[in-house]
Amino acid sequence: AQSVTQPDIHITVSEGASLELRCNYSYGATPYLFWYVQSPGQGLQLLLKYFSGDTLVQGIKGFEAEFKRSQSSFNLRKPSVHWSDAAEYFCAVGEGSNYQLIWGAGTKLIIKP
Amino acid sequence: DTGVSQNPRHKITKRGQNVTFRCDPISEHNRLYWYRQTLGQGPEFLTYFQNEAQLEKSRLLSDRFSAERPKGSFSTLEIQRTEQGDSAMYLCASSFRPAGAADTQYFGPGTRLTVL
Repeated sequence: AQSVTQPDIHITVSEGASLELRCNYSYGATPYLFWYVQSPGQGLQLLLKYFSGDTLVQGIKGFEAEFKRSQSSFNLRKPSVHWSDAAEYFCAVGEGSNYQLIWGAGTKLIIKP
Repeated sequence: DTGVSQNPRHKITKRGQNVTFRCDPISEHNRLYWYRQTLGQGPEFLTYFQNEAQLEKSRLLSDRFSAERPKGSFSTLEIQRTEQGDSAMYLCASSFRPAGAADTQYFGPGTRLTVL
């Protein structure tokens, strides 16, 4: 069955440091990949997506992600985090003819001052 | 484009009561999705509509749950005879899906349901 794994439940990073959040998926065909961010008590905001083409995609708020087919990964990166980046980050994969989203369990990002 | 809106934002109810949530999608979006999210988890798909047609329902959606999207605009999700296990955040998303292509889902702020 298709699945999405975010191996890190929590990550703590100092403000100004770089960030990488991991996402691995299990899917036979070319997936459609998404990263969303969720602040406490809020809905999900789209950060970036990959459908095809350049495997390095740029998103909002200075985030980027790289699709690596050989590793079945779509890791999210940011060169320098800000305190306002503290939130929960979800990776999702679109699969099937209806492109239903399969979600990871999320990674909670904590920013140290 | 005012985004996806959901009402109410919070609902507290007693076990056994019926509740109804409303979602207003981004205008001209032809797809509307409902998800449920519990603490520490990603969203779980419940159902989706293509225009007014409900095309898929998750096995998570028991007979107590029903969703409608009359006229292909707003949608309602009703839970009958609520149980404590129904306590969760209910998320609505909408998208415009061209034929044969993937879509990008845009989410509303959610309705947090607490069943006492």
